[in-house]
Amino acid sequence: KAGVTQTPRYLIKTRGQQVTLSCSPISGHRSVSWYQQTPGQGLQFLFEYFSETQRNKGNFPGRFSGRQFSNSRSEMNVSTLELGDSALYLCASSLVGVPYEQYFGPGTRLTVT
Amino acid sequence: EDKVVQSPLSLVVHEGDTVTLNCSYEVTNFRSLLWYKQEKKAPTFLFMLTSSGIEKKSGRLSSILDKKELFSILNITATQTGDSAVYLCAGYFSGYALNFGKGTSLLVTP
Repeated sequence: KAGVTQTPRYLIKTRGQQVTLSCSPISGHRSVSWYQQTPGQGLQFLFEYFSETQRNKGNFPGRFSGRQFSNSRSEMNVSTLELGDSALYLCASSLVGVPYEQYFGPGTRLTVT
Repeated sequence: EDKVVQSPLSLVVHEGDTVTLNCSYEVTNFRSLLWYKQEKKAPTFLFMLTSSGIEKKSGRLSSILDKKELFSILNITATQTGDSAVYLCAGYFSGYALNFGKGTSLLVTP
């Protein structure tokens, strides 16, 4: 079974621009979560989607948004990029109804200059 | 506020040593605790623990949870250089978010 896939793997953007990252979950997984990983803060939860509904949101500004499509694929968007948004963005998927084993994709490395 | 604290933050051992990594948590509503291994890429799932006192094992790795004392340990026996990684502990406490600790960076030297 194919794992979680994320595109693109690397991205360089300029301050003020916006970016969209994509995540395809493991087949059959309907819950998708997004995390930001930085050296200083570690892994921090952004949001979680199930059945196209955001069920949980972390403590991030409104510039961070996401959505999920009917095929469970998910996208996250960051508008008005800041230097501090440079990070590894990780997507994880899980089955719903089993106790919450989340499987991570390879991540998108975003660099904001 | 829910919190996960891992110790030590870093560790250097020789091949063949046994290591114990610690994870303690302060939560309002515990549901499960997970361990991940992260090399220079995405975290890889190791174990999920929901019940106290039941050991999970996979080869040289094992983990156990103590819900009364609010901690978990990850043991690695007969360490190998390939065990060098950051080990992350995370908890499902409320909502649908994993709450991660800062990780323990393990270096196994030949």
